[in-house]
Amino acid sequence: EMQLVESGGGLVQPGGSLRLSCAASGFTFSNYWMHWVRQAPGKGLVWVSRIGGDGQSANYADSVKGRFTISRDNAKNTLHLQMNSLRAEDTAVYYCTRKISWGSLAVFDIWGQGTMVSVSS
Amino acid sequence: QSVLTQPPSVSAAPGQRVTISCSGSNSNIGNNYVSWYQQLPGTAPKLLIYDNNKRPSGIPDRFSGSKSGTSATLGITGLQTGDEADYYCGTWDTSLSVVLFGGGTKVTVL
Repeated sequence: EMQLVESGGGLVQPGGSLRLSCAASGFTFSNYWMHWVRQAPGKGLVWVSRIGGDGQSANYADSVKGRFTISRDNAKNTLHLQMNSLRAEDTAVYYCTRKISWGSLAVFDIWGQGTMVSVSS
Repeated sequence: QSVLTQPPSVSAAPGQRVTISCSGSNSNIGNNYVSWYQQLPGTAPKLLIYDNNKRPSGIPDRFSGSKSGTSATLGITGLQTGDEADYYCGTWDTSLSVVLFGGGTKVTVL
């Protein structure tokens, strides 16, 4: 079964850091672009970042650029999101998701269960 | 406020049909494929429609998608209580080089 399992969420103070992880199983992880999408409480989906299969290409939403870093370890089938200088507005459930292997740049066929990040003093 | 505009809510009686619109611009919907996601309460999103009108394996044909110009539409026929969820459109924006999602539409079965 193809699966994504996030971990690493929690409560952190403003200005603090957190590292999220996403463990992939059931598919050839290195063949896929991987993304992070977040959802603030009661709000909609917001794209955060993406990384290519070989880890060489990455893009970020303007709201996190310079503060968040996406990375991957293909040997361990794991995706990461290093979040620094966290703000209250970063409070959200963070989902990792797999982009389909062909064509369209924004089609996500597998999603993790999400991990909650709360930024508060 | 999202770049892709969806109505906040739609509703209909069981067995009826609802449509959800998603409006964008030439840099996103106008020149890229649209996908749709269903998010049941307390769960992760699930892919419903991709490439404007294709359904992944296991998605019933009660769900359909279409696109015209800079707008896309999700249709749900034979509405069921289990369809009560939030629905999101998504696409790539060529100018911004980002993924965009609509603000989401809550479907209520009366």
